[in-house]
Amino acid sequence: QVQLVESGGGVVQPGGSLRLSCAASGFTFSSYGMHWVRQAPGKGLEWVAFIRYDGSNKDYADSVKGRFTISKDNSRNTLFLQMNSLRGEDTAVYFCAKTYYYGSGIYYLDNWGQGTLVTVSS
Amino acid sequence: QSALTQPASVSGSPGQSITVSCTGTSSDVGGYNYVSWYQQHPGKAPKLMIYDVSNRPSGVSNRFSGSKSGNTASLTISGLQAEDEADYYCSSYTSSSALVVFGGGTKLTVL
Repeated sequence: QVQLVESGGGVVQPGGSLRLSCAASGFTFSSYGMHWVRQAPGKGLEWVAFIRYDGSNKDYADSVKGRFTISKDNSRNTLFLQMNSLRGEDTAVYFCAKTYYYGSGIYYLDNWGQGTLVTVSS
Repeated sequence: QSALTQPASVSGSPGQSITVSCTGTSSDVGGYNYVSWYQQHPGKAPKLMIYDVSNRPSGVSNRFSGSKSGNTASLTISGLQAEDEADYYCSSYTSSSALVVFGGGTKLTVL
């Protein structure tokens, strides 16, 4: 079955950097686009970034554009989120999620990890 | 990138039906049939319940249904059960600078 396991969260000072990883198994990782979605404590879901199955196209929310970079290593079945210039408002649980199918299915997230908590605080 | 608008909370008794609305604009909900709904129980990851406005993934109960009219999408849950108590989020493709936008979420309480 599909399994997504995030890691790399922790406490970081404002202005600092962190790299999140998402280890994927149970499906052909190289055939699917992937998303990062975050959820601040007690708040709703916020879409963060998307990467096409082959890494050729990436999209970002305005709130993270220029600071975060999404990437995927299809040889290691791993998704990454490099987060730079972190701010307090980036504090959240970060989920990685798999797209449902190719084409319009990239807008739907059918399998999610359990999330990793990032806390930005001095 | 404004979030889609959902009511903060809805409630219903077991066996009843409830509807959750999700209002966007012509750049997202109103302009495309790429609307989805997610269920999230406390401390858990979200689960895809509806996609393409009204389609259910395999394994999702047919008590869940979706529809859309103009800029507003709706999720209806019929025959409410205690396990339906959760937060529900709508989502849509958006032609704005982002790719996907979520609603603010609706807390469903089963009385």
